Amino acid sequence: SYELTQPPSVSVSPGQTASITCSGDKFGDKYIYWYQQKPGQSPVLVIYQDTKRPSGIPERFSGSNPGNIATLTISGTQATDEAHYYCQAWDSGVVFGGGTKLTVL
Amino acid sequence: EVQVLESGGGWVQPGGSLRLSCAASGFNFSSCAMNWVRQTPGQGLEWVAAVSGSGNSAYYADSVKGLFTISRDNFKNTLSLHLNRLRSEDTAVYYCVKDGSYDYGANSLLGHWGQGTLVTVSS
Repeated sequence: SYELTQPPSVSVSPGQTASITCSGDKFGDKYIYWYQQKPGQSPVLVIYQDTKRPSGIPERFSGSNPGNIATLTISGTQATDEAHYYCQAWDSGVVFGGGTKLTVL
Repeated sequence: EVQVLESGGGWVQPGGSLRLSCAASGFNFSSCAMNWVRQTPGQGLEWVAAVSGSGNSAYYADSVKGLFTISRDNFKNTLSLHLNRLRSEDTAVYYCVKDGSYDYGANSLLGHWGQGTLVTVSS
């Protein structure tokens, strides 16, 4: 089965840039989606089709997928961005990465 | 405003059954595929099942195929998931998720999630 690999944890200082990566096979053929999940809450879509932001998602969230590894970037990270982040792709079905816990120190 | 609200979770013994429901509002329900995604306690996300906007096509993860049944009522704007022969590994929070596409596929976009309903399978 297809697998998406994320680092278990990433730490960032307030105001700095956080980068969360997601890797898998044949990324150039796939769109990557990113979800934010805060403690006790449901996941929220923050990036779709590699780079697009749903309405209501702050501009500091951006995504890239040059073909070998996808990255969610949070510029000017705020304390409220502390959450788990999951990447997702399609490979004969919806597949999620294992998630990355972002800690804002 | 798009809203999806799950209900029906609870405690059940191994081998038992349960029916989850999801009430949808704020969008053209029959134009969107709908999904169920689950999350085991403290763990990651697992897609479980999906149904097309018409209800004519259903899709399942291998882990639940033959055990769970997804269906929808486009007159009542409701989505259901029947869970049969439950196992301890089915213990999870089950989310109802609106798809951005008419049918489940490579263009699926899990845009709106409910608050989830907890299913606990234990003796």
